[in-house]
Amino acid sequence: GAVVSQHPSWVICKSGTSVKIECRSLDFQATTMFWYRQFPKQSLMLMATSNEGSKATYEQGVEKDKFLINHASLTLSTLTVTSAHPEDSSFYICSATRDRGPGELFFGEGSRLTVL
Amino acid sequence: DAKTTQPTSMDCAEGRAANLPCNHSTISGNEYVYWYRQIHSQGPQYIIHGLKNNETNEMASLIITEDRKSSTLILPHATLRDTAVYYCIVRMDSSYKLIFGSGTRLLVRP
Repeated sequence: GAVVSQHPSWVICKSGTSVKIECRSLDFQATTMFWYRQFPKQSLMLMATSNEGSKATYEQGVEKDKFLINHASLTLSTLTVTSAHPEDSSFYICSATRDRGPGELFFGEGSRLTVL
Repeated sequence: DAKTTQPTSMDCAEGRAANLPCNHSTISGNEYVYWYRQIHSQGPQYIIHGLKNNETNEMASLIITEDRKSSTLILPHATLRDTAVYYCIVRMDSSYKLIFGSGTRLLVRP
């Protein structure tokens, strides 16, 4: 069964509003989670690394004020797309690891955001 | 992390083995080879990973060349549900980050 869950699975919002996406590790504690974005027919692009209890680390070119990440507990990370615009419409995916060393990363089911 | 090169697309017949190649010629000694797949509009699914030795699990086999510069993912009896994009990723054991390349789009034909 799924060990990483995202909510909502899909969301439609108006331009200028903010949208929050949750990522939960269901049966393990994840000190580190990752957020990806995927446009149609493209690969996954890493946006940021979410660290429990500290600030997220953003990849080059990703606006941290635009994509707010909060990792307040060992089982929950949230991504807030602030003042969303149509170009922010994308598939957002999170992942988390429960192992130290070369363990596998578990991915959520993804959240599809459509900004009108 | 080392870069990987995969064919853009492949196809195979249902019931036959699917062999997906990956080149990672700049891999370093402490980097693992991971394979994930993504079925349309879903999150990636872990398949298998290895360091030096060949690995097998219930989903697939991973064959890594002796010089570790390339590897092959083998799906022994492909089914229609194996149609997906397959990503070969090289990752250091001290880093949990996965950087995705373009992957191989595998089409399993009836």
